Amino acid sequence: GQSLEQPSEVTAVEGAIVQINCTYQTSGFYGLSWYQQHDGGAPTFLSYNALDGLEETGRFSSFLSRSDSYGYLLLQELQMKDSASYFCAVRDRRGRRALTFGSGTRLQVQP
Amino acid sequence: GAGVSQSPSNKVTEKGKDVELRCDPISGHTALYWYRQSLGQGLEFLIYFQGNSAPDKSGLPSDRFSAERTGGSVSTLTIQRTQQEDSAVYLCASSLGGTSGAAYEQYFGPGTRLTVT
Repeated sequence: GQSLEQPSEVTAVEGAIVQINCTYQTSGFYGLSWYQQHDGGAPTFLSYNALDGLEETGRFSSFLSRSDSYGYLLLQELQMKDSASYFCAVRDRRGRRALTFGSGTRLQVQP
Repeated sequence: GAGVSQSPSNKVTEKGKDVELRCDPISGHTALYWYRQSLGQGLEFLIYFQGNSAPDKSGLPSDRFSAERTGGSVSTLTIQRTQQEDSAVYLCASSLGGTSGAAYEQYFGPGTRLTVT
């Protein structure tokens, strides 16, 4: 079956750096995405990695290693507004962009 | 430009009743997805529409669930004979077609919170 593992909760302080890991076991792999979801809100897209390496977008970076079935989301210069749930999601079938999501990591940023 | 809209925002229904949930995707987005999210959980894929192709229904949990997309735009998710385990937030998303990186960015609507009593 398909499974994505990520920590359930992470706590960090304002201004710090935090890394949220995601390991996956899926029947196919065509890309890893990250989404942010504030309480009561809709998920919003953060990043997409189809190839190995690091993608940087402002304070957020995402990394993928296909040989290790592993990726991470790196958040720098944490702000209070970054408190949210973060989901990794895998595109596991060619020609289909629907995603298989992990259970999410709840990030709490403390002052 | 408007984002993805969904209606109703909240729906309370009695067990055994049918419900219809509506999604208006972003104009020009050819791909449309339905997911559901139970409290504190990740999103569970339900169904995917891409252009005029036959929909991918592989995530529908039972034959009580169905969806259609009319004119390549608005979509309706129908749940027949609702059960208490159907209670969840139902999220719709849309994305561009094609194979560019932007096509993999899904834009989500605010969701419909369904409560089956």
